[in-house]
Amino acid sequence: DAGVIQSPRHEVTEMGQEVTLRCKPISGHNSLFWYRQTMMRGLELLIYFNNNVPIDDSGMPEDRFSAKMPNASFSTLKIQPSEPRDSAVYFCASSPRQGALYSPLHFGNGTRLTVT
Amino acid sequence: KQEVTQIPAALSVPEGENLVLNCSFTDSAIYNLQWFRQDPGKGLTSLLLIQSSQREQTSGRLNASLDKSSGRSTLYIAASQPGDSATYLCAVRYRSNDYKLSFGAGTTVTVRA
Repeated sequence: DAGVIQSPRHEVTEMGQEVTLRCKPISGHNSLFWYRQTMMRGLELLIYFNNNVPIDDSGMPEDRFSAKMPNASFSTLKIQPSEPRDSAVYFCASSPRQGALYSPLHFGNGTRLTVT
Repeated sequence: KQEVTQIPAALSVPEGENLVLNCSFTDSAIYNLQWFRQDPGKGLTSLLLIQSSQREQTSGRLNASLDKSSGRSTLYIAASQPGDSATYLCAVRYRSNDYKLSFGAGTTVTVRA
């Protein structure tokens, strides 16, 4: 099991540019989460998908942020246009189909985003 | 408000000493509590998951206890090693929040050789 795979590991971009972060959940997991981690705010849930459908996007900070899950094995988080305050580590996590409420959450290694 | 608190924020111990990490939560109506380890620049690694009906979980040198009535969980790491140096996070899945995990801010542990 390769675990949750995120790309890129690091992204440095200039303010105003579009940024796309990618995630491949663990095979068979039907719940996918995008988190953001900063020193000031810790881990924040941005959006949650179940069976490829966005269930809760209340954590998405602004309309500049959007997320998609076109199929069970791929998700993207896009920021357009990016701003310096978006600099953070973005994590993708997944959990299994059955008994999701009782199952552990598995995290990817994250994408460290720096917006200059 | 459903919060998760971890005290202390940082801990430094000599190698071989047992580690005791604390996590407190504000509502006893939970599905489960999960302990994670995070190394610098890395993701979160799941260590132990304790279901609401359980009192403890063990994995090797790690033991986590859960006391819902007092809103507390403790992670014990026996015979600490320098490789145990990391940040340890506690996350609670409250019943009222369903799928969401509420994270503590973490305890950063340094084990001195």
